[in-house]
Amino acid sequence: AQKVTQAQTEISVVEKEDVTLDCVYETRDTTYYLFWYKQPPSGELVFLIRRNSFDEQNEISGRYSWNFQKSTSSFNFTITASQVVDSAVYFCAHDMRFGAGTRLTVKP
Amino acid sequence: NAGVTQTPKFQVLKTGQSMTLQCAQDMNHNSMYWYRQDPGMGLRLIYYSASEGTTDKGEVPNGYNVSRLNKREFSLRLESAAPSQTSVYFCASRTIGEPQHFGDGTRLSIL
Repeated sequence: AQKVTQAQTEISVVEKEDVTLDCVYETRDTTYYLFWYKQPPSGELVFLIRRNSFDEQNEISGRYSWNFQKSTSSFNFTITASQVVDSAVYFCAHDMRFGAGTRLTVKP
Repeated sequence: NAGVTQTPKFQVLKTGQSMTLQCAQDMNHNSMYWYRQDPGMGLRLIYYSASEGTTDKGEVPNGYNVSRLNKREFSLRLESAAPSQTSVYFCASRTIGEPQHFGDGTRLSIL
C-alpha cells in the first residue's frame, strides 16, 4: 500500500532562513504523482507543487524548490528566504495518500 | 467558480445520532474523496470514488458509508455517531494525476 512519511512534526525558523521539509514515500506503482499542499491557520488546503514519477528534474518556482529522488523515494520541499506568511502545516501526498504534515513556524 | 462545496460547515451531534455530510463539485471531476483530519495525524482517507458509480474504502472506513449520487455529488454518512468521530472532514475532487481541490471542511463534534 502507499505510505507517506513526514518525519518532521514541527519546524521553527527565523524569517529569511531557508527551510527544507522532508517527505519519504512507499509505493509499488511504476507511474505515480507526488504533491505538496499547504494548510495555513485559516484551515483551507492549498495545492503547491506536483511531480510525476517519470520526471526527476528538480525545479524552482519563486521561493519554492523541490528535490525528487526516485532512488531514495524522497520528495523534499524547500522554501528559500522564509517569511512569516509561510507559517502553516505542509502536507506531502502520494496520489490520494497524505503524510501527517509538518507544522512550520516562521518567526519575525 | 464555487469549486467544492461542503455542507454543513459545523455540526454538533449526540452519541448515537446519524447524519450525512454533503459534498458537491462543479469542475466535472471524475474522482471524489472524503478525508478526516485529526491533530497530528494529517489527512486520512475514509472513502473515495474513482468515477461515478464506484466507491472504495480508504484507510479508516469503519463507521462511515458513502454514496456517489451522481458525478457532482458525494455524500458521507455516519449511521451511529461516536465521540471518536469528532474531527474535521474534508471533501475533495480531481481528475486523476492532477492535484485535489478541497472544500472548506466540516467541523463535527460528537458529545
